[in-house]
Amino acid sequence: EPEVTQTPSHQVTQMGQEVILRCVPISNHLYFYWYRQILGQKVEFLVSFYNNEISEKSEIFDDQFSVERPDGSNFTLKIRSTKLEDSAMYFCASRGPVNTEAFFGQGTRLTVV
Amino acid sequence: QKEVEQNSGPLSVPEGAIASLNCTYSDRGSQSFFWYRQYSGKSPELIMSIYSNGDKEDGRFTAQLNKASQYVSLLIRDSQPSDSATYLCAVKNDMRFGAGTRLTVKP
Repeated sequence: EPEVTQTPSHQVTQMGQEVILRCVPISNHLYFYWYRQILGQKVEFLVSFYNNEISEKSEIFDDQFSVERPDGSNFTLKIRSTKLEDSAMYFCASRGPVNTEAFFGQGTRLTVV
Repeated sequence: QKEVEQNSGPLSVPEGAIASLNCTYSDRGSQSFFWYRQYSGKSPELIMSIYSNGDKEDGRFTAQLNKASQYVSLLIRDSQPSDSATYLCAVKNDMRFGAGTRLTVKP
């Protein structure tokens, strides 16, 4: 069964460093998403991506963040100059055409120390 | 007004009871609605999708949509301890979630 794959499963980084979180969406899906979930809190929408550009972004998704689909299969989230409060689980999701459900990856736990 | 609102709970029901989870949304143009379940430490997984007014049943789960009143609900019949999780409502194509309702089913 097709699935969304995220790597790494756990990333530890020092404050101020840049990290890239990677996602391989389900092939032939068209819409891609990143979410953040701080421990014990709700799932927060970061950004949606369609047709090689950002379609929506939340107020959390500031200049520190960027997304890219570099090679037609991977979908990455880059966090520049990480802060302690960026420590969270980051989920990637993808879905097919309009009005279909999204499927989630297993998440990357980012720990900033 | 938040786009998607849910009662954060926690909601506690005894085993075998019906659990009722509610979600309201602000965008009248929304056409697609989803319920996801998230176990602690895991990613959200889809339970139900609903696109038309009325009820949609799948096993012990029933989703109810009322576009005029802008709410969507999820009923879980014969609740089991394994249903204990956080339930997330997502509305429209940009997949923004409500805060989630934490459900505990007590044996």
